[in-house]
Amino acid sequence: AQTVTQSQPEMSVQEAETVTLSCTYDTSESDYYLFWYKQPPSRQMILVIRQEAYKQQNATENRFSVNFQKAAKSFSLKISDSQLGDAAMYFCAYRSAAGKLIFGTGTRLQVFP
Amino acid sequence: DTEVTQTPKHLVMGMTNKKSLKCEQHMGHRAMYWYKQKAKKPPELMFVYSYEKLSINESVPSRFSPECPNSSLLNLHLHALQPEDSALYLCASSRETGMEWEQFFGPGTRLTVL
Repeated sequence: AQTVTQSQPEMSVQEAETVTLSCTYDTSESDYYLFWYKQPPSRQMILVIRQEAYKQQNATENRFSVNFQKAAKSFSLKISDSQLGDAAMYFCAYRSAAGKLIFGTGTRLQVFP
Repeated sequence: DTEVTQTPKHLVMGMTNKKSLKCEQHMGHRAMYWYKQKAKKPPELMFVYSYEKLSINESVPSRFSPECPNSSLLNLHLHALQPEDSALYLCASSRETGMEWEQFFGPGTRLTVL
């Protein structure tokens, strides 16, 4: 069975600074997708970024980028130029060919002015 | 329109009540999902519908009964719930169930069982 681990329950960052959230996963599959979702206090889950396992190039979406290390089964999220609106719970998630989305336990990010 | 709507936003019910949660999308998606999220925990998959047919049931108790009357609508019927069923219930949809398709989430229904 696949598992997703987020070892940082909480992180904090100053506005305009950079922060990296960690995620590791375990799977025996070779083909899968990885996602970072953001859940602000409003509780709406919002997709931040996704990475296809077969792609070596790391995904980037504006201020958000990932460091995908397939051999190490690591998938970290880097947020550059942090903004107050980035404060939220961030979930790393794994999706396999079976279609199920498996979430990590989440990292709560606080952004200080 | 990339929106998934859920009603009601909040629901309080007694253990003997029967109620329903509703989820709607108009993106032409053929896969719809129910998740349960307890406080300070990640969402957990409950059910998956693909082309209006139930394809995954994650061993959910029968007091939760899903229904997909058409491709745009997903219901979750609740009966004889327990206080531990209090949680945020999230609905999501995607074009199909394949892993490449992004899941779009609704805002959730916060359920309290007294």
